Amino acid sequence: DGGITQSPKYLFRKEGQNVTLSCEQNLNHDAMYWYRQDPGQGLRLIYYSQIVNDFQKGDIAEGYSVSREKKESFPLTVTSAQKNPTAFYLCASARLGVNEQFFGPGTRLTVL
Amino acid sequence: GNSVTQMEGPVTLSEEAFLTINCTYTATGYPSLFWYVQYPGEGLQLLLKATKADDKGSNKGFEATYRKETTSFHLEKGSVQVSDSAVYFCALSGSGAGSYQLTFGKGTKLSVIP
Repeated sequence: DGGITQSPKYLFRKEGQNVTLSCEQNLNHDAMYWYRQDPGQGLRLIYYSQIVNDFQKGDIAEGYSVSREKKESFPLTVTSAQKNPTAFYLCASARLGVNEQFFGPGTRLTVL
Repeated sequence: GNSVTQMEGPVTLSEEAFLTINCTYTATGYPSLFWYVQYPGEGLQLLLKATKADDKGSNKGFEATYRKETTSFHLEKGSVQVSDSAVYFCALSGSGAGSYQLTFGKGTKLSVIP
């Protein structure tokens, strides 16, 4: 079955530690996205990528980093510079030039 | 810039009641409009979409009509079920450069009671 997988589903981190969230898709989509969801806040765009080895900052990129070494994979690193990292993180993908995005199941990150 | 405003929740309805969730938008050009649904603990699923004025998107008994004159895309369902309990997000994507990005409303939580 084609789709988007995110792992892990739940992640706990101590303050001051970096952590990497995985996002993989087998839909052959060129574009991939990372969003952050906070209660009552909707979704905010962190980073996006339209082609391998290229990515752009979204609205709230500070404290985050990404890489796009393969078309299928777009991992997100939450660094210690992110002041309030506890949130639900959603990955999405889309065909290039098509504005309909498909979402993964999400990773809930909690900083202890 | 683009923005989406949707009615604040939570909304609580009895089974078989009529549902309306209001959504208005601000955008330049001719955006595409979407409704996504999020069930507890899950990612978002596309519920319906409309790409031009007067288009009606529909799916699973839900409908929304793209009204350019009122910049609205209200979600409706004639008879809700307990299984419709979820958070609903209105979203838009712009036209031209930047059309690959989605702008979301804050979401409206719907609870349907038997």
